[in-house]
Amino acid sequence: GAVVSQHPSRVICKSGTSVKIECRSLDFQATTMFWYRQFPKQSLMLMATSNEGSKATYEQGVEKDKFLINHASLTLSTLTVTSAHPEDSSFYICSAEQEPSQETQYFGPGTRLLVL
Amino acid sequence: AQTVTQSQPEMSVQEAETVTLSCTYDTSESNYYLFWYKQPPSRQMILVIRQEAYKQQNATENRFSVNFQKAAKSFSLKISDSQLGDTAMYFCAFMTDNAGGTSYGKLTFGQGTILTVHP
Repeated sequence: GAVVSQHPSRVICKSGTSVKIECRSLDFQATTMFWYRQFPKQSLMLMATSNEGSKATYEQGVEKDKFLINHASLTLSTLTVTSAHPEDSSFYICSAEQEPSQETQYFGPGTRLLVL
Repeated sequence: AQTVTQSQPEMSVQEAETVTLSCTYDTSESNYYLFWYKQPPSRQMILVIRQEAYKQQNATENRFSVNFQKAAKSFSLKISDSQLGDTAMYFCAFMTDNAGGTSYGKLTFGQGTILTVHP
């Protein structure tokens, strides 16, 4: 089956620094990837839709200047948390559509971010 | 907007027994997909089963089957012969099939049900 990787798997950073999380589709091309945020024992909340070669589409209430998304190639999307604060600490998960089946999404293993 | 509701925050079952997880949803769409995802302690999301709304036949994947009631907007998951490895958080999810809509391709998740399988 299709594999999606995320790097790093966990990161600890100081408040005020920026952190970049990578999401890669390893054996398929993905023009669309999605970024989610998940708090402990809660559901996944969609943050944004990442489109290859164009601007990301953000969900209501998500700060686009805080969570920068770049989808520069068909296999890589990055999420940069800028000027991170403790409240940004969370589990971030990406998923990728395996075309032509837009209804099929494959998820990365997630990245745990802790901001001190 | 679509909503997905899982009314059982936690469930438990004995190994080898059968358990059913509930899910209801609300939508005005006629064409859509429904999913059950499993998130074990590793937190890797794993697709368990998928149902196309236009198909009347309930989807089945080995020990996992669904009871899809379109009129009632209900989509329950039955796990037969439960195994210890089935212990996980289970999410019901909805995706519209309306390519012209702003929600196309987006998954809407329920709150999740934590399932514990006891030996």
